[in-house]
Amino acid sequence: AQKITQTQPGMFVQEKEAVTLDCTYDTSDPSYGLFWYKQPSSGEMIFLIYQGSYDQQNATEGRYSLNFQKARKSANLVISASQLGDSAMYFCAMREGRVIQGAQKLVFGQGTRLTINP
Amino acid sequence: EAQVTQNPRYLITVTGKKLTVTCSQNMNHEYMSWYRQDPGLGLRQIYYSMNVEVTDKGDVPEGYKVSRKEKRNFPLILESPSPNQTSLYFCASRQGQGQQYFGAGTRLSVL
Repeated sequence: AQKITQTQPGMFVQEKEAVTLDCTYDTSDPSYGLFWYKQPSSGEMIFLIYQGSYDQQNATEGRYSLNFQKARKSANLVISASQLGDSAMYFCAMREGRVIQGAQKLVFGQGTRLTINP
Repeated sequence: EAQVTQNPRYLITVTGKKLTVTCSQNMNHEYMSWYRQDPGLGLRQIYYSMNVEVTDKGDVPEGYKVSRKEKRNFPLILESPSPNQTSLYFCASRQGQGQQYFGAGTRLSVL
């Protein structure tokens, strides 16, 4: 079963608009962390934002915020006032707190390609 | 500056010719891992290491080997590369539950 689902393969947004990238997750572990990474065309993985399962408030980092809805198991990334430089691939990822065979690995979604139009 | 360094960044090779992709981190992290990224599949873990001399398989370990003789280094070895190992590879490290730091990636083409 897919642990992280990103249902939008691609999105096109006008510059300066806000954009929401969807992410739903599946876990039975009460302790987990959710991450968003940005991958520009140059290929590197850039950490954007983190939300812990026990965090009371939604995480924010500058123009990035995470809309965390625990009951719905969703962790959508919101980018306010989008810029041309936001065009990239975006990945949602989860790390479960319970140690499964010592892994505690990051499990990634398939990604969403965001294109910002001028 | 906190860094995960991978080399080479780009590599074109032929089937069956052994190769090694190096990975080094300067943050004294215990946990290191290798991922491969393929279109439509996101990143999948190949191998990970909890500490020196402690390694284990991830989700897609077939055709790969790793070693962890020193804390800072975690090389990925392809003994006999095949075309289905053409991919973008990432090394990553973290300490405890902290943020995972990624290397810049290695684009490998196996002809």
